[in-house]
Amino acid sequence: QVQLQQWGAGLLKPSETLSLTCAVYGGSFSGYYWSWIRQPPGKGLEWIGEINHSGSTNYNPSLKSRVTISVDTSKNQFSLKLSSVTAADTAVYYCARGRRITMVRGVRKDTYYFDYWGQGTLVTVSS
Amino acid sequence: QSALTQPASVSGSPGQSITISCTGTSSDVGSYNLVSWYQQHPGKAPKLMIYEVSKRPSGVSNRFSGSKSGNTASLTISGLQAEDEADYYCCSYAGSFHVVFGGGTKLTVL
Repeated sequence: QVQLQQWGAGLLKPSETLSLTCAVYGGSFSGYYWSWIRQPPGKGLEWIGEINHSGSTNYNPSLKSRVTISVDTSKNQFSLKLSSVTAADTAVYYCARGRRITMVRGVRKDTYYFDYWGQGTLVTVSS
Repeated sequence: QSALTQPASVSGSPGQSITISCTGTSSDVGSYNLVSWYQQHPGKAPKLMIYEVSKRPSGVSNRFSGSKSGNTASLTISGLQAEDEADYYCCSYAGSFHVVFGGGTKLTVL
């Protein structure tokens, strides 16, 4: 059974850097891309970005300038850093297992869906 | 990247069927069969209900089904039950290794 457990600071001041880590237990770590997704209070979900075991990343263009996602394969962990936070970054942040790449009749197939999620971390930005 | 468009709310009585729409563009929903749907109860993490437009993960009730026509995907819940009351989100691959979510739909079981 795959489990994702996340942690990090829950209260930040404007201009500080948000830092969260997600540990993956069970299943394959190398066979997937691992994502961060956030949800402002009372609002919808927003994909932040993804990383694989090799460190290959993709980011939401709207956040790309402030986001860094990194991986520690020795611990099956991946991390999120979001710099220069403002009140607009206040949200519940989730880690999730996402994109998987398979070979179908010799052709690469990328499939996108999030089947395992962390418990969520509320990050509040306030002076 | 713009969020996919979902109705803010839908409602139905127990036993009835409801459908939630998710409208995107020819760059996301219309171009890829990579639409997924998530159920979220208050204070909980989202749960995958449908992937690749119409596939159900193991353990998800067959009362949940998905479809797509053009730039619009749909989630249908048949035989509504009180436990189905939740927020529902669609998600689509949007090209260039990005995904986009819908704004969410609140389902009320009357």
